Amino acid sequence: SAVISQKPSRDICQRGTSLTIQCQVDSQVTMMFWYRQQPGQSLTLIATANQGSEATYESGFVIDKFPISRPNLTFSTLTVSNMSPEDSSIYLCSVQGGVDTQYFGPGTRLTVL
Amino acid sequence: GENVEQHPSTLSVQEGDSAVIKCTYSDSASNYFPWYKQELGKRPQLIIDIRSNVGEKKDQRIAVTLNKTAKHFSLHITETQPEDSAVYFCAASINSGYALNFGKGTSLLVTP
Repeated sequence: SAVISQKPSRDICQRGTSLTIQCQVDSQVTMMFWYRQQPGQSLTLIATANQGSEATYESGFVIDKFPISRPNLTFSTLTVSNMSPEDSSIYLCSVQGGVDTQYFGPGTRLTVL
Repeated sequence: GENVEQHPSTLSVQEGDSAVIKCTYSDSASNYFPWYKQELGKRPQLIIDIRSNVGEKKDQRIAVTLNKTAKHFSLHITETQPEDSAVYFCAASINSGYALNFGKGTSLLVTP
């Protein structure tokens, strides 16, 4: 299975600031995904990040708030912009690994004060 | 879009008993159904998955069944152990390489 790392693992940020989360995979993958998991809740897809093209956002998520980069087949970033306390969540990237399964990174726990 | 419903939201069983978690989906185009286990503070871990051309799949104490006509699938855990305690999520997608739509999760507690 793919080895996925995320940075930072956690952060505490002030309202109005931005945070960029990195996702690194140890092998080339075509599709990477970004999910949000609010406290005690399920996982919600933010966007699909494809290398060489713009990310595809789900309903309720916009590029201005969650800009995504995908410069190559092993790396992606998600920025949470102009943060408010409602953005406090765990942000997880996932990738397709092996034959056809999806694996998740360890997540970034974000607290916005 | 796809809507995945999961029941129950909480489940408490005695060690050694069986646990069953059920999910329904809305999009008939969905053909890939994974189950994830998430322990507190950890990432979701894939425990078993099934594709629409298969009705049942088993891996030791864990099994998943799929009824494509009724659009529902279930996770069965037999001989439960305290270490099975976690939140379980079902999911559906139109293909295994595509984004997952998750159910709301089931918090399973196995008491000794």
